[in-house]
Amino acid sequence: AQKITQTQPGMFVQEKEAVTLDCTYDTSDQSYGLFWYKQPSSGEMIFLIYQGSYDEQNATEGRYSLNFQKARKSANLVISASQLGDSAMYFCAMREGARAGTALIFGKGTTLSVSS
Amino acid sequence: EPEVTQTPSHQVTQMGQEVILRCVPISNHLYFYWYRQILGQKVEFLVSFYNNEISEKSEIFDDQFSVERPDGSNFTLKIRSTKLEDSAMYFCASSAAGGPGHNEQFFGPGTRLTVL
Repeated sequence: AQKITQTQPGMFVQEKEAVTLDCTYDTSDQSYGLFWYKQPSSGEMIFLIYQGSYDEQNATEGRYSLNFQKARKSANLVISASQLGDSAMYFCAMREGARAGTALIFGKGTTLSVSS
Repeated sequence: EPEVTQTPSHQVTQMGQEVILRCVPISNHLYFYWYRQILGQKVEFLVSFYNNEISEKSEIFDDQFSVERPDGSNFTLKIRSTKLEDSAMYFCASSAAGGPGHNEQFFGPGTRLTVL
């Protein structure tokens, strides 16, 4: 079974609109972390946001927020007020366990296209 | 802002040759990682390194691969006898041991390896 599932291969949004990128995860660990990374066409991986399994509040970083629904095992990324520069591939990832240094498990990614 | 650096940005090699990919992690980080991304596919974990030894490795990381921290700043991935299927983008990442920000793994810009 996939540990991280991103069901949307591609998403299209107009500039200034909000968009939600879906991510579901599968783990039996009680302690885990969820991450979102952005990969523009230039190829680098840019860290966006982190949510710990014990965090009671949804994480927010500027225009990015993570809609964490623990019972449903979902960790959707919400981008508010989309910009042209948001066009990129977005990866959801999970670290199982609490130990620093544990590998990240990535989903297959969602390509976001923002148009003017 | 501190960042992970990688050299070279692009490496072309002949099948069967050895390559060494180099990384300089963020200076106060203690955990180092290598991931790879075959073109158009998801990011896959190879190995993590802590306290001068391998902390965790995936099934991809077989005897063909080795890692080393030859000095206080560099972290290298060696691929012996490269195969066509080793062609991929290789990312180095690092993370802190604890405290604020210890959860995030910061990625370098990647080295694109092409095996001919």
